[in-house]
Amino acid sequence: DAGVIQSPRHEVTEMGQEVTLRCKPISGHNSLFWYRQTMMRGLELLIYFNNNVPIDDSGMPEDRFSAKMPNASFSTLKIQPSEPRDSAVYFCASRLQGNTEAFFGQGTRLTVV
Amino acid sequence: AQSVTQPDIHITVSEGASLELRCNYSYGATPYLFWYVQSPGQGLQLLLKYFSGDTLVQGIKGFEAEFKRSQSSFNLRKPSVHWSDAAEYFCAVGEGNNDMRFGAGTRLTVKP
Repeated sequence: DAGVIQSPRHEVTEMGQEVTLRCKPISGHNSLFWYRQTMMRGLELLIYFNNNVPIDDSGMPEDRFSAKMPNASFSTLKIQPSEPRDSAVYFCASRLQGNTEAFFGQGTRLTVV
Repeated sequence: AQSVTQPDIHITVSEGASLELRCNYSYGATPYLFWYVQSPGQGLQLLLKYFSGDTLVQGIKGFEAEFKRSQSSFNLRKPSVHWSDAAEYFCAVGEGNNDMRFGAGTRLTVKP
């Protein structure tokens, strides 16, 4: 298995633009997590899905952030409009529900200028 | 709500010295506990995990961790650190079908 695949690896965008981050979880995994990592706040859980259903989105910072999981093999995290303070590394992770660990993608480094 | 505390932001040890990274958790039931390592520019890689049973768990790269319920701790140890162990280490707590929460991380520097 290729592991959790995130795209793009790097994204530079101007303030006000829409940004879409993509994630393909490991096949067969039915939980998916989106995290944001910054120096100031560390690794924050933004939202997670079980069986494609959002379970807890309390970590989503603002209405500008939205996440979808239209099927078991794809999820998106969208920021619209983007702001410089959204600059961070965004990680996607997946796991089997139950007694298992999460597997992380390589992350998307987002820079909003 | 479950939470994780890693009290040490940055630790420096000499190569060959022993290492202990601290982790304390807050959770109502017996948690599932994890240690991950992150090298610069990379994602997080699992070192070891505890779900139940023997409270001393062995992981990859010579790491081990001990679950102590009375202290709500899950400290990571390694008897002899190698220069390649320099990285950031994250403790995490999770339960069943719920989310996984991570500590703030401890950055390890290894002196030659």
